Amino acid sequence: SQKIEQNSEALNIQEGKTATLTCNYTNYSPAYLQWYRQDPGRGPVFLLLIRENEKEKRKERLKVTFDTTLKQSLFHITASQPADSATYLCALGDSTGANNLFFGTGTRLTVIP
Amino acid sequence: EAGVAQSPRYKIIEKRQSVAFWCNPISGHATLYWYQQILGQGPKLLIQFQNNGVVDDSQLPKDRFSAERLKGVDSTLKIQPAKLEDSAVYLCASSHTTGNGYTFGSGTRLTVV
Repeated sequence: SQKIEQNSEALNIQEGKTATLTCNYTNYSPAYLQWYRQDPGRGPVFLLLIRENEKEKRKERLKVTFDTTLKQSLFHITASQPADSATYLCALGDSTGANNLFFGTGTRLTVIP
Repeated sequence: EAGVAQSPRYKIIEKRQSVAFWCNPISGHATLYWYQQILGQGPKLLIQFQNNGVVDDSQLPKDRFSAERLKGVDSTLKIQPAKLEDSAVYLCASSHTTGNGYTFGSGTRLTVV
C-alpha cells in the first residue's frame, strides 16, 4: 500500500528564515499532491495543489515543488512568521477510481520570534 | 461563503454506546468525505459520497460504522457500538469537484471511555 513520510515530526526555525518541509512517498504514483495547514483543534485548511506535470507552484510566500522521479515534494515558506506556526500535511491523490486523498502524518512547524 | 458545519464539537461516551455526528457541507459541493484523525496522525478516509451515493467506503469498519447522505446534502456518521480505539477527531470535508482542494469542518472530538 502507499506510504507517505513527512520529514521530522517537528521543525523549529527562526523568524524571517525559509522553512522547508519534505514529503516523500512510495508505492504510489499520484496524479497530484496537495498541502494543508492544520491548527490545533481545527480542521485542515487547503493551501496549494500541484499536478504531476507541474514542477513548481507558488502562492504568495509559499512554494511547492513536485519531483515524480524522486517521489518527493518540497514545501517552502519564505520570510517565515510566528503566525505560520502550525502542522502542515501533505496529501496525495490520483485521478482514477474514487479520486481520494491520502494524508501524511504532518510536520509541526514552530517559528521562533 | 459559509464553511463546513459539524456538530457536536465534543462527545464523551462509554464503550459499547452509540454516537452520531452531523455534517453540513458547503452549498453546491457534490462530494462529501468523512475522515478519522487519531492524535498525532494524518486524516484517514472513512467514506466518500458523490451527491447521495457512496463512491468509496473501503476503509469504513462496516460492522460498527455507518454513514448516510440523504438528499445529497447533509450527512451523518454513526458508530454503534463504540470501542476505545474509536477515540479520535472525526472530520467532514467537501469539495466542488474531485481533484481540487477540500474544505474541512472543525471536526468532532470523540472520547470513548
